[in-house]
Amino acid sequence: GESVGLHLPTLSVQEGDNSIINCAYSNSASDYFIWYKQESGKGPQFIIDIRSNMDKRQGQRVTVLLNKTVKHLSLQIAATQPGDSAVYFCAESNAGKSTFGDGTTLTVKP
Amino acid sequence: KAGVTQTPRYLIKTRGQQVTLSCSPISGHRSVSWYQQTPGQGLQFLFEYFSETQRNKGNFPGRFSGRQFSNSRSEMNVSTLELGDSALYLCASSLQEGNTIYFGEGSWLTVV
Repeated sequence: GESVGLHLPTLSVQEGDNSIINCAYSNSASDYFIWYKQESGKGPQFIIDIRSNMDKRQGQRVTVLLNKTVKHLSLQIAATQPGDSAVYFCAESNAGKSTFGDGTTLTVKP
Repeated sequence: KAGVTQTPRYLIKTRGQQVTLSCSPISGHRSVSWYQQTPGQGLQFLFEYFSETQRNKGNFPGRFSGRQFSNSRSEMNVSTLELGDSALYLCASSLQEGNTIYFGEGSWLTVV
């Protein structure tokens, strides 16, 4: 069945360093992928997305990479800041239905 | 533009009661989906509505139901509440199926 998973449940980085959060998906038919950030007590917030016809997309301080060959998705955060501390989810979408990974908790140390 | 609005934000119910949660999507969004989030299970898909029709349904018992109104606002209902229903219930909206979904802040339900 479909499953979306993140490689690491937690990630701790130093402020100013770059962060890389990984996600593996199993449904090769998925055509749309999204990263969300969820801060404590709040709902998930859209960060960046990518369609399956692309392998890289950049936003402000964030980059999403998609490797369809190995069904791998990653989120790169440049110059990580304390405000980036949150749980990050990847999601894959197929035929309008989204499936979410379990989340990686990113902690930024000052 | 206002985001997805969910009410109530927090509520406490006792076992056996029922609860109704409300969601107002982003203006212009016609697709509304609901999710249950718990520490142990992560985000679990409940159901999705588009133009008042349920398009997709997750693996939840029949105690969980929902509906969507002509103005795209949506409600979900949980009957005969159980302790295990305690969770954050998230509503999300999108322009249509397959587009980016945007979440509300959620409704925290505690069943005692």
